[in-house]
Amino acid sequence: DSGVTQTPKHLITATGQRVTLRCSPRSGDLSVYWYQQSLDQGLQFLIQYYNGEERAKGNILERFSAQQFPDLHSELNLSSLELGDSALYFCASSVSLGTGNGNTIYFGEGSWLTVV
Amino acid sequence: AQSVTQPDIHITVSEGASLELRCNYSYGATPYLFWYVQSPGQGLQLLLKYFSGDTLVQGIKGFEAEFKRSQSSFNLRKPSVHWSDAAEYFCAVLDTGRRALTFGSGTRLQVQP
Repeated sequence: DSGVTQTPKHLITATGQRVTLRCSPRSGDLSVYWYQQSLDQGLQFLIQYYNGEERAKGNILERFSAQQFPDLHSELNLSSLELGDSALYFCASSVSLGTGNGNTIYFGEGSWLTVV
Repeated sequence: AQSVTQPDIHITVSEGASLELRCNYSYGATPYLFWYVQSPGQGLQLLLKYFSGDTLVQGIKGFEAEFKRSQSSFNLRKPSVHWSDAAEYFCAVLDTGRRALTFGSGTRLQVQP
């Protein structure tokens, strides 16, 4: 158990709909990351937040957005869903943005999203 | 831009045999390197990491990896594979500027009895 908690574990929804994935980082971790894992794209970095502020952006679509709340949990919002958005979405967390062990990133078990 | 290459998509070894999974990276600065394992239907579990210092790092479950700067490699090894090691293994490099991990495409390990 990495200490990173994600809900829901599985989600099935229809095209055009909107879903929210939730993540609680490990206790004490200020940085939260979102990754997408799909068969054709592999593991792709989406976005990172640190202590409530967006710090880095990867291959995140405009239909997707995220935020980190004052209690440090984070949500990833996916809207106008398409079949190609079906994937495993990981949340990860780390202590800081610094060097050394602060850069160790721990992953949750993921949220499986199926768009039908 | 940084990149990670795992040349072997799929490897099959016999239980009890030794294992080496290859990883090559491309990164301009001193790399922070990781190996993660993903069992079927599971999340990503950190096996080991390299930040600096000793180039041979020990991880969980009896795994180790050796950082070779001259070869831009960070190969994962285990002296004796167990059936429970069957999983997909991912090598990753941390872009400290972008604060993001770049992953390789993964190597699927199958263990034969």
